[in-house]
Amino acid sequence: DTEVTQTPKHLVMGMTNKKSLKCEQHMGHRAMYWYKQKAKKPPELMFVYSYEKLSINESVPSRFSPECPNSSLLNLHLHALQPEDSALYLCASSQDQRRLSTDTQYFGPGTRLTVL
Amino acid sequence: SQQGEEDPQALSIQEGENATMNCSYKTSINNLQWYRQNSGRGLVHLILIRSNEREKHSGRLRVTLDTSKKSSSLLITASRAADTASYFCATGQGAQKLVFGQGTRLTINP
Repeated sequence: DTEVTQTPKHLVMGMTNKKSLKCEQHMGHRAMYWYKQKAKKPPELMFVYSYEKLSINESVPSRFSPECPNSSLLNLHLHALQPEDSALYLCASSQDQRRLSTDTQYFGPGTRLTVL
Repeated sequence: SQQGEEDPQALSIQEGENATMNCSYKTSINNLQWYRQNSGRGLVHLILIRSNEREKHSGRLRVTLDTSKKSSSLLITASRAADTASYFCATGQGAQKLVFGQGTRLTINP
């Protein structure tokens, strides 16, 4: 299984809602990533988990809260988001072979988030 | 910005022609990767070239890397309609992460 799955595919939420994005992989990868991508822009790294520990937080606002319950699952909890947070949220995973920057990353299809 | 710059930003060619995209970056790297993204979907890894390599091939793809000029190119030969996508270079910087370039939007016209 070489697939990264993400749910839901689309999410519309108000600024006072709390929601969660989910990501799952069964490739035995030990690194997992959250990216944010705006239209016609490259993905921007948000968080990296390595061996279930948060290793990178790219100064992301606290209204985004990541969680890695186990090596196969990655969640992104959302609370009190702003309309400018509307974007495609991509999850990725990689083997985590000494250096994450040399890993091939496998991406999920993304969750299209709209904040009203 | 640490991100790479890609040019052109958009490229439109006829099916069967070759497509060349360029990527420039600013810092030293340990590898450079190319990814493809179909509209609104996840990215797919195409090829990785290490900093001590100059050229690499994979099927219809040819990647070059010139570390002295801090630049790379991706050549897609005999293009097909299915190659229509955005293409991103990503540089491995330090130990922890990839940094993606701005991307080239490639359109293959039938």
